[in-house]
Amino acid sequence: QKEVEQNSGPLSVPEGAIASLNCTYSDRGSQSFFWYRQYSGKSPELIMSIYSNGDKEDGRFTAQLNKASQYVSLLIRDSQPSDSATYLCAVPSSGFKTIFGAGTRLFVKA
Amino acid sequence: SQTIHQWPATLVQPVGSPLSLECTVEGTSNPNLYWYRQAAGRGLQLLFYSIGIDQISSEVPQNLSASRPQDRQFILSSKKLLLSDSGFYLCAWSAGQLGQYFGPGTRLTVT
Repeated sequence: QKEVEQNSGPLSVPEGAIASLNCTYSDRGSQSFFWYRQYSGKSPELIMSIYSNGDKEDGRFTAQLNKASQYVSLLIRDSQPSDSATYLCAVPSSGFKTIFGAGTRLFVKA
Repeated sequence: SQTIHQWPATLVQPVGSPLSLECTVEGTSNPNLYWYRQAAGRGLQLLFYSIGIDQISSEVPQNLSASRPQDRQFILSSKKLLLSDSGFYLCAWSAGQLGQYFGPGTRLTVT
């Protein structure tokens, strides 16, 4: 059974700090990885994708991938209260399915 | 650009009543389509996915069914709702394995 694991949180950080969200996956053959943001009561929104080892930056967001250790992380720099949401890690599975982690709740304190 | 629509946005239905939720995608052709359910405070549960018209896979045995009458239309149905069917129903589309894009969702309450 392929799995994607995340700490459920909540992760609480002060405004302006770096929020670090982590995810581990079980399938060593996984080639692509995604982060989604879900505000309370809303649908998930794709915010980052990463396909190769190392870092990928997009604005205040940086995705980090380490295939040898089977983990992927999302860093949010200069965290804002508007970043408060649940962040889902996702890894494509067999066929066209995707396995989603249960999500980490992030709370940014003003 | 691509857009995904779902309706209705909210729905309150009595136990035993039928259900029909509709999802349509604009701006792309032959998308992979998905139905998920999210119970309150929980993760995403994949219900059905489709890689083409009349090609639908069911992930969870239950009283729900799905149909794809047109390339960009995906319908979730039930003949008789159960209390446990309450939740947030999400439709999503993807092009290959490049990430999924979700519709706004339907919040279903079965009373």
